[in-house]
Amino acid sequence: QVQLQESGPGLVKPSETLSLTCAVSGFSISSGHYWGWIRQPPGKGLEWIGTIHHSESPYYSPSLRSRVTLSLDTSRNQFSLKLTSVTAADTAFYFCARQPGAIVGTTMWDYWGQGTLVSVSS
Amino acid sequence: SYELTQPLSVSVALGQTARITCGGKNIGSKIVHWYQQKPGQAPVVVIYRDGNRPSGIPERFSGSNSGNTATLTISRAQAGDEADYYCQVWDSNTEVFGTGTKVTVL
Repeated sequence: QVQLQESGPGLVKPSETLSLTCAVSGFSISSGHYWGWIRQPPGKGLEWIGTIHHSESPYYSPSLRSRVTLSLDTSRNQFSLKLTSVTAADTAFYFCARQPGAIVGTTMWDYWGQGTLVSVSS
Repeated sequence: SYELTQPLSVSVALGQTARITCGGKNIGSKIVHWYQQKPGQAPVVVIYRDGNRPSGIPERFSGSNSGNTATLTISRAQAGDEADYYCQVWDSNTEVFGTGTKVTVL
């Protein structure tokens, strides 16, 4: 059974860096598949942040590319998100998820974490 | 950038059929997935690759995709189908989600 669990601070100050980690169990991230982050401001829709694979360069949302970095830690079987220079507009539920397959974008996000709320406020 | 447009809300009588559209330029040439999201929960895929149902999803859920519109159909709607629904495609190395549709079962 594949499980994903987000962790990180629930409160970040404006202009600082948001850092989240997604711990994966039930599957080795170094074995393949794509891993990603999707966020959802309270009461609003889903927004893709980025996707990472152990043997490809990451894919980033054009609107966030200048502030986002995704990374994999295969030794801990987890992947991470860093979002710099945050503002109140970055307040959202952040989900990590898995996209199975060998070609990016050809399948759905099949396993999701429960999501974690990150608020940006001083 | 590519955009996907969904109706803000769809209402359906209990036991009847709901159709949720997802409009995008030439979306018929893309692979579409549909997600159901209930309050306080992560999204769950209900249709993948246009019209395929994951295991555990009722046959009442079906999907189609042609031209400029993809459609999620919920037959014999039940109270438990009340949720937000999102379409999603991959375009130009970018994941794109639809604007979302709130389905209400009357």
